[in-house]
Amino acid sequence: GENVEQHPSTLSVQEGDSAVIKCTYSDSASNYFPWYKQELGKGPQLIIDIRSNVGEKKDQRIAVTLNKTAKHFSLHITETQPEDSAVYFCAVSLRGGSQGNLIFGKGTKLSVKP
Amino acid sequence: DAGVIQSPRHEVTEMGQEVTLRCKPISGHDYLFWYRQTMMRGLELLIYFNNNVPIDDSGMPEDRFSAKMPNASFSTLKIQPSEPRDSAVYFCASSLVGNNSPLHFGNGTRLTVT
Repeated sequence: GENVEQHPSTLSVQEGDSAVIKCTYSDSASNYFPWYKQELGKGPQLIIDIRSNVGEKKDQRIAVTLNKTAKHFSLHITETQPEDSAVYFCAVSLRGGSQGNLIFGKGTKLSVKP
Repeated sequence: DAGVIQSPRHEVTEMGQEVTLRCKPISGHDYLFWYRQTMMRGLELLIYFNNNVPIDDSGMPEDRFSAKMPNASFSTLKIQPSEPRDSAVYFCASSLVGNNSPLHFGNGTRLTVT
């Protein structure tokens, strides 16, 4: 089955610096790659997603890049702020699956120091 | 929109007791999902429904786990009998039909089985 590896597991940056989180997957037929942010005591919330026909997508300070050949995708957060501190999860859809057939990475705890 | 509503937020029970977790999805959403989150295994899909019908329950760990969706606005996840290894945060999520619909998660139920 699909396997999703996420790195690093923890990341600490200074406010204003950039943060990069990377994920790799195994099933070349996977075609949907969302990123979720989870704050303490809350459920994950979608922050950005990308499909396999697109190499990069940007939304203000957040961007995602996808390399289908290498089977990896990354989340980039620029000009980090303390409120960006949270756990971030990448996910991959299974072949032909619905939105919910997602395999999640183990998460990255991002700490932004003021 | 009130979002996905889960109850209770916290549940502490003794081993062997029956536990029932409840979820109200966002009105109009066609899909409902139950996830379990632990430090060791991360976010795992347990089961999902489409139009109240269970589609895939391959993630349900054992026969002790069961889920129902009697109508479009309510679902339950039941564990009977509960065991300490069932301790986790259980999330319900819902989404619209279609590939551009993200998952909307509730804030979860933290279950502790002693």
